Amino acid sequence: AQKITQTQPGMFVQEKEAVTLDCTYDTSDPSYGLFWYKQPSSGEMIFLIYQGSYDQQNATEGRYSLNFQKARKSANLVISASQLGDSAMYFCAMREEQTSYDKVIFGPGTSLSVIP
Amino acid sequence: EPEVTQTPSHQVTQMGQEVILRCVPISNHLYFYWYRQILGQKVEFLVSFYNNEISEKSEIFDDQFSVERPDGSNFTLKIRSTKLEDSAMYFCASSASGGAGTQYFGPGTRLTVL
Repeated sequence: AQKITQTQPGMFVQEKEAVTLDCTYDTSDPSYGLFWYKQPSSGEMIFLIYQGSYDQQNATEGRYSLNFQKARKSANLVISASQLGDSAMYFCAMREEQTSYDKVIFGPGTSLSVIP
Repeated sequence: EPEVTQTPSHQVTQMGQEVILRCVPISNHLYFYWYRQILGQKVEFLVSFYNNEISEKSEIFDDQFSVERPDGSNFTLKIRSTKLEDSAMYFCASSASGGAGTQYFGPGTRLTVL
C-alpha cells in the first residue's frame, strides 16, 4: 500500500492565484511528521514546511500553509499568491516516529506550472 | 543560513568503476542520510547514519554501497562497482534530531553510469 499519495500528477495555476496540492498519507504510527519539499528543474530538494502529528494548529511559512486534517489523513499544501518561480515539482513526505524512525517516505510528486 | 553541500554536482563514470559522493552536512546536525532519485521517479531512502554507524538501511543499500564519516565534517557514499541502474540523483540530508524532525537536503549529485 502506498504510504503517501499525491493524486495530481500535474497542476496549472495563474500567477497571483492560490493553489492547493493534495496529499494523503497512510500510517498507524501515533507520532509522525509531514513535510513538503519543492524540487525546481535544477534538481535540488528544498524544504518548505513541516507539520507534526500532535500539532494543534496548521503550519504556515510565508506563502505556504499546510491544511492538516488528521482524521482524513490529509496534508494539503496551499500556496498563496503564486509566482512564476513556484513552477516546480512538489513532494509530500512523511517520517514515522516508531515505524520508520529514520527515513523520509516521499510521494510521487505533483508538477506545478505557474502561468503568467 | 546553514545548508548541506554536495560535491561533485555531476559525476560521469564507466560501469564497474568505483565512485565516492561527498557531502558536508549542516554543522550541528547529528543524523545523516542518503537518498536517491532515478530520473522521473520517487525519491527513495538508502541509508541513515548516526553516532558513527548505520542506523537503518533500505533493501537498495546492498554490499556495493558503503558510507563513512571520515572526519568531523564530511559524509560520503561509496559505490564500489557501479551499474547502469545506479544512474540517478543522489541526495545527502541531515537533521538535528531523529524521530519526526525535519531533514534538510543538499543540492544533489547527478551520477551517470555509462
